[in-house]
Amino acid sequence: AQSVTQLDSQVPVFEEAPVELRCNYSSSVSVYLFWYVQYPNQGLQLLLKYLSGSTLVKGINGFEAEFNKSQTSFHLRKPSVHISDTAEYFCAVKNAGGTSYGKLTFGQGTILTVHP
Amino acid sequence: EAGVTQFPSHSVIEKGQTVTLRCDPISGHDNLYWYRRVMGKEIKFLLHFVKESKQDESGMPNNRFLAERTGGTYSTLKVQPAELEDSGVYFCASSHWEETQYFGPGTRLLVL
Repeated sequence: AQSVTQLDSQVPVFEEAPVELRCNYSSSVSVYLFWYVQYPNQGLQLLLKYLSGSTLVKGINGFEAEFNKSQTSFHLRKPSVHISDTAEYFCAVKNAGGTSYGKLTFGQGTILTVHP
Repeated sequence: EAGVTQFPSHSVIEKGQTVTLRCDPISGHDNLYWYRRVMGKEIKFLLHFVKESKQDESGMPNNRFLAERTGGTYSTLKVQPAELEDSGVYFCASSHWEETQYFGPGTRLLVL
């Protein structure tokens, strides 16, 4: 069984400030890791993913995340946020073994609110 | 290329009624997933189709839920009879033979 914990349910931040959204996971097998974002009234959009290789992954809109296997973490960061980054962010994992398809296990979500 | 579409976007029904949700995946995607988010909780997996076959239905909560994917194209998720605890947002996602799942906008279901 796998589980994902997003340590902050809400993160308020001022525009142009840096932000880190924290994600920890638990799994007995190797996993792939994902961050999705949901803007108001829209579906989930993939921000970035870690499958293998370099532990620092860069995604869209200036976001990046670092996979830390020893700490089972995959924290999302952005050095300078914009008002338009206001959204809910989801961390998810998937079993890396076997086939490339399969269900995602999600965290509870983190609402990022960027204030002017 | 069109994304994953879902219909309806919202549905309000009374307890005991039946509701059918529809998902149209991205063209050519053999894998189709259903997920649900109950208010205040995490998004949870319901089931996974590969073409028209159910690959994994371990997340289906009970036998009031019936999912179909006739012909391996669009899918429907029927809830009959609906209960209050079925309220939430139902997401559909699709993928080709790869790790990334592409999500639709979701159907917001409210059971009164």
